[in-house]
Amino acid sequence: DAGVIQSPRHEVTEMGQEVTLRCKPISGHNSLFWYRQTMMRGLELLIYFNNNVPIDDSGMPEDRFSAKMPNASFSTLKIQPSEPRDSAVYFCASSLYGGRTDTQYFGPGTRLTVL
Amino acid sequence: SQQGEEDPQALSIQEGENATMNCSYKTSINNLQWYRQNSGRGLVHLILIRSNEREKHSGRLRVTLDTSKKSSSLLITASRAADTASYFCATGGTGANNLFFGTGTRLTVIP
Repeated sequence: DAGVIQSPRHEVTEMGQEVTLRCKPISGHNSLFWYRQTMMRGLELLIYFNNNVPIDDSGMPEDRFSAKMPNASFSTLKIQPSEPRDSAVYFCASSLYGGRTDTQYFGPGTRLTVL
Repeated sequence: SQQGEEDPQALSIQEGENATMNCSYKTSINNLQWYRQNSGRGLVHLILIRSNEREKHSGRLRVTLDTSKKSSSLLITASRAADTASYFCATGGTGANNLFFGTGTRLTVIP
């Protein structure tokens, strides 16, 4: 299996621009997670999908952030408009069943820099 | 917060020595997992220990769990330079439906 695939790996954009991050989970996995990692705040869960349905989006910072999962093999995380404080590494992870007992498999991450 | 906290924040040892990292958490858990993150990469699952287990082994890894103290430790024996990475604990709470990751321990193994 190719593992969790994320694109792009690096993104540099200017403040105010729209940014779209993409994720393809491991085939057959039912849960998908978006995380943000920074030096200051560590690894933060942004949103969690189970069977393509958002279960917990309490970690989404504000209305500028939105996430979709139109089907079992694709998810996007969109930031509009982007701000310099959004600069971070964004990880997508998937798990077979989801929930607290399941192992999560992480993608390589997207390093976002907002100038 | 349900987030775990690792201790120490950073650890530097010589190759061949053992490395011990600790994790403390605040709420009741169903299980606790340890992950490794190499620089510039995503996290990789290492081992899971359930709340009714006290110790678990996997290769050079040994994990202990003390639910009365709400703490866990990860021991890496006979460390190698390739073990250089950040190590995170993640807790699955009894009342939660996802994992909560700690702040990580940065391990450096000097060849």
